[in-house]
Amino acid sequence: GENVEQHPSTLSVQEGDSAVIKCTYSDSASNYFPWYKQELGKRPQLIIDIRSNVGEKKDQRIAVTLNKTAKHFSLHITETQPEDSAVYFCAASINRFSNDYKLSFGAGTTVTVRA
Amino acid sequence: GAVVSQHPSRVICKSGTSVKIECRSLDFQATTMFWYRQFPKQSLMLMATSNEGSKATYEQGVEKDKFLINHASLTLSTLTVTSAHPEDSSFYICSARDATGGYEQYFGPGTRLTVT
Repeated sequence: GENVEQHPSTLSVQEGDSAVIKCTYSDSASNYFPWYKQELGKRPQLIIDIRSNVGEKKDQRIAVTLNKTAKHFSLHITETQPEDSAVYFCAASINRFSNDYKLSFGAGTTVTVRA
Repeated sequence: GAVVSQHPSRVICKSGTSVKIECRSLDFQATTMFWYRQFPKQSLMLMATSNEGSKATYEQGVEKDKFLINHASLTLSTLTVTSAHPEDSSFYICSARDATGGYEQYFGPGTRLTVT
């Protein structure tokens, strides 16, 4: 099955600086890569996602890049704010009609933005 | 937007009893729902995939006789933890895929199960 690795496990940044989280995946058939933000005791919230036919996607301060050849994708948060502090998870899935669309999650990155 | 609810949000039960958790898609139909378990400070681990009208598909290492999943309608899936033990204490989260298509999964708010 799919194996997703995520680094770093913790990340502390100064407010206003950028944060970068990297993930690698094992199954070259994976074609959907969402990123989730989870606050303590809450549900994961989709913050951005990318499909395999796109190399980069941006939404305001958040961007995701995908390198299919190297099988890795990254989350970039610019101009970090204290409210960006949370646990971030990357995930990968194979979204095809004949597949279960199962998400495989990375281990998570705890981001702390210092004021 | 697509909304998924879970009930109850918290439950405390005694060891040996069974607990049922409901997952509902409120404004869309979900042919596929997923059940995850999340231990403190850990990632989400997929337990099973639930397809409406058919048997659930369990991930390796998940006991299907202990974690009973029923997906009787396009808007409701239930997870029953049978003969619960303290090691089953965890945060259980469901997600659902819209039957009309799309890649996104919509997550429920989770259920905190504590077995005493």
